[in-house]
Amino acid sequence: EVQLLESGGGLVQPGGSLRLSCAASGFSFSTYAMNWVRQAPGKGLEWVSVISRISHVMYYADSVKGRFTISRDNSKNTLYLQMSSLRAEDTARYYCVRDYHGSGTYGVGDYWGQGTLVTVSS
Amino acid sequence: DIQMTQSPSSLSASVGDRVTITCRASQSINNYLNWYQQRPGKPPNLLILGTSSLLSGVPSRFSGSGSGTDFTLTISNLQPEDFVTYYCQQTYSAPYTFAQGTKLEI
Repeated sequence: EVQLLESGGGLVQPGGSLRLSCAASGFSFSTYAMNWVRQAPGKGLEWVSVISRISHVMYYADSVKGRFTISRDNSKNTLYLQMSSLRAEDTARYYCVRDYHGSGTYGVGDYWGQGTLVTVSS
Repeated sequence: DIQMTQSPSSLSASVGDRVTITCRASQSINNYLNWYQQRPGKPPNLLILGTSSLLSGVPSRFSGSGSGTDFTLTISNLQPEDFVTYYCQQTYSAPYTFAQGTKLEI
């Protein structure tokens, strides 16, 4: 069974940093690209970032470019999102999302974790 | 960046009805259009990818169509569990933008 377990969320002050982690199990992690998608409370979905299987391709939403860094450790089956210079508008639930194989592109999420909540507030 | 617009933002219907949700891209995205369903308090669930390919396990009352910039999600014979929120997403080019969603209400 595919499982994605996010951790690392919490309350952080504006301008602060946070690192999210996603522990993957139930599939061959190193053979899938992975995404982060976020959802502000009561709002819609916002795709944040994707990383390819061996980290040679990384894309970001404009809203986080230069502030967030996606990475992965295939030896630990873990995906990360390093977030810095956090703003109130970054407040959201952050989902770890497995990328669908065979779509011909990145960004299609076939398995989602339950998410971890990040709150940016003073 | 490609902007995605979904309409309507909310839709009232009844069990047994047939409804259509429209998604429009700001430029051609070929067929790289996906549909998700999200229940309250749960992560989204991928229903359709590549405009019209149903994921395994998705009921056949769901269908997708379109090309270029205009796409539709059609749900036939609405069931009580279908009254949730739906999102389209383009994966033609990064950033892989979602539309704002459609809440289907009974």
